[in-house]
Amino acid sequence: GAVVSQHPSWVICKSGTSVKIECRSLDFQATTMFWYRQFPKQSLMLMATSNEGSKATYEQGVEKDKFLINHASLTLSTLTVTSAHPEDSSFYICSAPNRGSGRPEQYFGPGTRLTVT
Amino acid sequence: GQNIDQPTEMTATEGAIVQINCTYQTSGFNGLFWYQQHAGEAPTFLSYNVLDGLEEKGRFSSFLSRSKGYSYLLLKELQMKDSASYLCAVRTSKSNAGKSTFGDGTTLTVKP
Repeated sequence: GAVVSQHPSWVICKSGTSVKIECRSLDFQATTMFWYRQFPKQSLMLMATSNEGSKATYEQGVEKDKFLINHASLTLSTLTVTSAHPEDSSFYICSAPNRGSGRPEQYFGPGTRLTVT
Repeated sequence: GQNIDQPTEMTATEGAIVQINCTYQTSGFNGLFWYQQHAGEAPTFLSYNVLDGLEEKGRFSSFLSRSKGYSYLLLKELQMKDSASYLCAVRTSKSNAGKSTFGDGTTLTVKP
């Protein structure tokens, strides 16, 4: 199967600071990656679709200036939470389909737990 | 808009069979997925249906009826480790690399 990693696994930051989360496809190229957030006991909410070499596509209600996405290479997408506030505390998960495999599913990273104090 | 419904919680006994239902109303359909997610971990892929019918994979089977907007995940010979959240997701994009919309998940508790 394909492997997706995320870094860091967890992070605690102070209100008003920015945090960068990395998502890497380790053994395949990902022209598309997805970023989700998940609150406790709730499902995955898609935030944006990250496209290599072009601008990300944000879902309705997601502030693009607050959640900056950069997909500069075929194996790396980053999500930067700018001016973080306690309400941004959540579990952030990325995923990517492996087009080259011909398989339909998405491969998920292990997630990043963000706590804003 | 997209609407995907699943029961919130289910409880079953070890060794039994459980069926988790999912109904959907989406603008576009290009496949339905079932994922398993243990608490604090990322989802892992279980099954995929794009045509009507039953797909079987070991203890897990998934069924799809596109005309009814309905799917179910069937888990046989339940084990304690099957206690997890089960997410139904519909890919709405025409692209096979397109985004999916997730249901709220069904938390399954397996009791001894």
